Amino acid sequence: GAGVSQSPRYKVAKRGQDVALRCDPISGHVSLFWYQQALGQGPEFLTYFQNEAQLDKSGLPSDRFFAERPEGSVSTLKIQRTQQEDSAVYLCASSLTYTDTQYFGPGTRLTVL
Amino acid sequence: RKEVEQDPGPFNVPEGATVAFNCTYSNSASQSFFWYRQDCRKEPKLLMSVYSSGNEDGRFTAQLNRASQYISLLIRDSKLSDSATYLCVVNKGNNAGNMLTFGGGTRLMVKP
Repeated sequence: GAGVSQSPRYKVAKRGQDVALRCDPISGHVSLFWYQQALGQGPEFLTYFQNEAQLDKSGLPSDRFFAERPEGSVSTLKIQRTQQEDSAVYLCASSLTYTDTQYFGPGTRLTVL
Repeated sequence: RKEVEQDPGPFNVPEGATVAFNCTYSNSASQSFFWYRQDCRKEPKLLMSVYSSGNEDGRFTAQLNRASQYISLLIRDSKLSDSATYLCVVNKGNNAGNMLTFGGGTRLMVKP
């Protein structure tokens, strides 16, 4: 069956631009997670949704980062006024429930010039 | 200090070798432990969960020492296809479900 999909796969932004990254979780998965992975590092937790509710956003690095999942399926991570330090791979993962295995999407590689 | 620490490597081993990776974690409340595998420019994929009693899946053996807060992964008879980065992963605590903390990864390169 279909896995987690993310779009775009690659995004180049000029410093100061706003970007929106999309995640389509596996159908029926209640939980959705966003991670940021810098080059040579492991993924770092950003935020978590259970259905449409954002239950944890403790990992968002600044108020320029905003995530939503309005209908409890597709999620969008938005970064306003991008900075060079935002360059990373943004990974989305979904799981059937909060305690189940997380399945990752292929990620969006963001480069901020 | 990072919550999950791993030797970044790279570990360069010949085919057929046995290789072991270790990781330490700082959150004594963590209850779930995993090894994920990540190929270059790909997403992480679950390799195996780690249980207190130790567990084996084919050529892979994982062990957990809660007292020392230490997790290990042993790969026997390494294959070229085992070349990847291995991520040690723990959950954040008792009521944290699968809220995960990842180590920085250990890179393995298996050579012919």
